[in-house]
Amino acid sequence: NAGVTQTPKFRILKIGQSMTLQCTQDMNHNYMYWYRQDPGMGLKLIYYSVGAGITDKGEVPNGYNVSRSTTEDFPLRLELAAPSQTSVYFCASSYSSERNQPQHFGDGTRLSIL
Amino acid sequence: AQSVAQPEDQVNVAEGNPLTVKCTYSVSGNPYLFWYVQYPNRGLQFLLKYITGDNLVKGSYGFEAEFNKSQTSFHLKKPSALVSDSALYFCAVRDGGANNLFFGTGTRLTVIP
Repeated sequence: NAGVTQTPKFRILKIGQSMTLQCTQDMNHNYMYWYRQDPGMGLKLIYYSVGAGITDKGEVPNGYNVSRSTTEDFPLRLELAAPSQTSVYFCASSYSSERNQPQHFGDGTRLSIL
Repeated sequence: AQSVAQPEDQVNVAEGNPLTVKCTYSVSGNPYLFWYVQYPNRGLQFLLKYITGDNLVKGSYGFEAEFNKSQTSFHLKKPSALVSDSALYFCAVRDGGANNLFFGTGTRLTVIP
């Protein structure tokens, strides 16, 4: 099973450039999430989705956008990259709205903004 | 409001000795508690969870965690540490009314051969 797949694994951007981080899952999970991980800060939720066509903001949504047109895909868009967005980004998914369901994580995208 | 505290950035333990990684939490409702492990250049992997019931929860790779409601703690434990247990460990909490998890800042466990 592929699980949660993120692409690319690494990327360097210049300030002001835009890009889309891709995330796809093959587990038919309804819930999907985007986190960023900064050293010593744990994971912070950027956006999440409870199903196709439905998205909502997390703790740190500024500077990012998401869409969810299918159950499988949940891309994260950076429109105007800033150095503060240098981070490791993780996509995750979970099966249902039951709050005891664990999240399954991808291996991350390491993004540097220079 | 939800929050999680992992008071130790780093824990070192000798191989074969018991290990404990500490976690305390704060939620307004019933807590749903999780432990995840992260190996270098990988995403987080689920270890175990507490929902209700027994205060001692058993999970993957021989890990277990003890829920203590009065101390609002959920410490991760293992009776005998392996070198391969060296990794970054995250505690997370979900309030009963929330859709998302709140993560602690992580504890780096190093098992010394």
